[in-house]
Amino acid sequence: DTGVSQDPRHKITKRGQNVTFRCDPISEHNRLYWYRQTLGQGPEFLTYFQNEAQLEKSRLLSDRFSAERPKGSFSTLEIQRTEQGDSAMYLCASRPTGSETQYFGPGTRLLVL
Amino acid sequence: LAKTTQPISMDSYEGQEVNITCSHNNIATNDYITWYQQFPSQGPRFIIQGYKTKVTNEVASLFIPADRKSSTLSLPRVSLSDTAVYYCLVGFTGGGNKLTFGTGTQLKVEL
Repeated sequence: DTGVSQDPRHKITKRGQNVTFRCDPISEHNRLYWYRQTLGQGPEFLTYFQNEAQLEKSRLLSDRFSAERPKGSFSTLEIQRTEQGDSAMYLCASRPTGSETQYFGPGTRLLVL
Repeated sequence: LAKTTQPISMDSYEGQEVNITCSHNNIATNDYITWYQQFPSQGPRFIIQGYKTKVTNEVASLFIPADRKSSTLSLPRVSLSDTAVYYCLVGFTGGGNKLTFGTGTQLKVEL
């Protein structure tokens, strides 16, 4: 399967703990996006990378959130000191140069207790 | 990005054609219209994109009138597996191309 993959698919954590999610985009897709989706809502943009450069961050991305894409391939999204309001599905998408289509991964569902 | 308005839900039966209309009154000149489909516990999947008139692919058709203030996604002969949430997005596809999703339309297909 050469689609976008995300790991883990599910994560349960206690409030105050740190969590890290990984996204592996489709090979050679230079653009990578993170979104967050809560129940009954559409995905909300969090941040965007072009290769290893983080070019845009949403105001939704508080100081507790950090994302990296060190080698321009996979990306990680870390949430520090998790809060119950962080419970959501975290989606990753990638897009190749010259295409308008974003390809989404299956998401990581986070539950903060 | 232009705000979109679409019905919260729609019901249909297998074999019928389903048309989901999206309003985007303040669409900008360089905005495209894109539709995504999402099944529960999965990421959204691109269905179709257009700028004006009509676009057709193997899955759906997209009708866009001349004023571009609305668009209609047409799904021919739906099946149970088409039960999903459908999102209409409007935006400029250059640059970062972050997507702005609304709440979407929950389509339920029954036998």
